[in-house]
Amino acid sequence: GAVVSQHPSWVICKSGTSVKIECRSLDFQATTMFWYRQFPKQSLMLMATSNEGSKATYEQGVEKDKFLINHASLTLSTLTVTSAHPEDSSFYICSAGDTRTPASTDTQYFGPGTRLTVL
Amino acid sequence: AQKITQTQPGMFVQEKEAVTLDCTYDTSDPSYGLFWYKQPSSGEMIFLIYQGSYDQQNATEGRYSLNFQKARKSANLVISASQLGDSAMYFCAMREGGGRGSTLGRLYFGRGTQLTVWP
Repeated sequence: GAVVSQHPSWVICKSGTSVKIECRSLDFQATTMFWYRQFPKQSLMLMATSNEGSKATYEQGVEKDKFLINHASLTLSTLTVTSAHPEDSSFYICSAGDTRTPASTDTQYFGPGTRLTVL
Repeated sequence: AQKITQTQPGMFVQEKEAVTLDCTYDTSDPSYGLFWYKQPSSGEMIFLIYQGSYDQQNATEGRYSLNFQKARKSANLVISASQLGDSAMYFCAMREGGGRGSTLGRLYFGRGTQLTVWP
């Protein structure tokens, strides 16, 4: 299957600082990537849809100015948590789809996730 | 209304036995895709199986099979011959619209079922 990487895998930062998380599709091009947030023992919640070359589409209730998304190339999307606070501590996970073939199942492949802890 | 419902917070099964994880969905779109993902304690989301709404046969992938009952809007995952390594959180997800090879759409996730396999 297609491979999606995320960096860093975990990060600890002080309150008020900004943190950038990278999501890369390693062996395919992804025009669309998705960013999810997951709290412990809970489901994945979609934060935003990242489209290459255009502005991201944010879900209702997600602060655009706090969670900056940039999808500058077909293999890289970044999520920047600005002025992070302890309540932003969570597991952030991205996904990208491999639509190289017409018979694709449109499966979204997920990155390994980034665990953010804000002190 | 919830688009994906997983009613089993936790399931226990003995090694080598089969287990069924329940999933029901709600959509008015005639075209949709159903997915199952496995999330071990490491956090990565592992794609298991896909079922398209127009697929005539139930999907199978090795020890995984999807019991697709369209009229009942259910897409239960059956794991045969359970292994200790199957212990993980399992998520059912749905994508509305499109079809094979179409543009990616967001996934709606259920709350997940924690499966524990005991020796």
